[in-house]
Amino acid sequence: DAGVIQSPRHEVTEMGQEVTLRCKPISGHDYLFWYRQTMMRGLELLIYFNNNVPIDDSGMPEDRFSAKMPNASFSTLKIQPSEPRDSAVYFCASSLPGQVREQFFGPGTRLTVL
Amino acid sequence: GESVGLHLPTLSVQEGDNSIINCAYSNSASDYFIWYKQESGKGPQFIIDIRSNMDKRQGQRVTVLLNKTVKHLSLQIAATQPGDSAVYFCAEIRARGSNYKLTFGKGTLLTVNP
Repeated sequence: DAGVIQSPRHEVTEMGQEVTLRCKPISGHDYLFWYRQTMMRGLELLIYFNNNVPIDDSGMPEDRFSAKMPNASFSTLKIQPSEPRDSAVYFCASSLPGQVREQFFGPGTRLTVL
Repeated sequence: GESVGLHLPTLSVQEGDNSIINCAYSNSASDYFIWYKQESGKGPQFIIDIRSNMDKRQGQRVTVLLNKTVKHLSLQIAATQPGDSAVYFCAEIRARGSNYKLTFGKGTLLTVNP
């Protein structure tokens, strides 16, 4: 298995632009998580899905952030409009049913908002 | 408030020595505690977990100890190798039915000197 796949790996955009981050979980995993990592705040859980349904989005910082999972093999995290303080590394992770403790992380997308 | 934090931000050890990474937590309602390893430029990788009703769990070269009296968690790495150099995160997870609350600590940077 290729593991969790994220794209793009790097994204540089200007303030106000829309940013879409993509994730393909490991086949057979029914949990999908989106995280944001910064030096100041560490690793923060933004939202997670179970069987394509959003379960907890309490970590989403504000309405500018939205996430979707239209099918079991694809999820997006969208920021619209983006701001410089959104600059971070965004990780997607997936896990098997009942194995939420053991998450498999993707390589991350490094986002820079100028 | 509820938090999972680390005593030391950095740890430097000699190759072959044992390493001990510490973590303090404040929420007694956690169901599991987990250790993740993050190498430079990569996503976190699951190492080992321990259920909250256990005191010790051993893996391959790693041991996790849980002291619920003082709300302290530690990760011991035996015969530390250069490949162990990474940031180590402790995390807690609380399960309520099929809903999970996962919180990561800030991380400790482990440097292994040859």
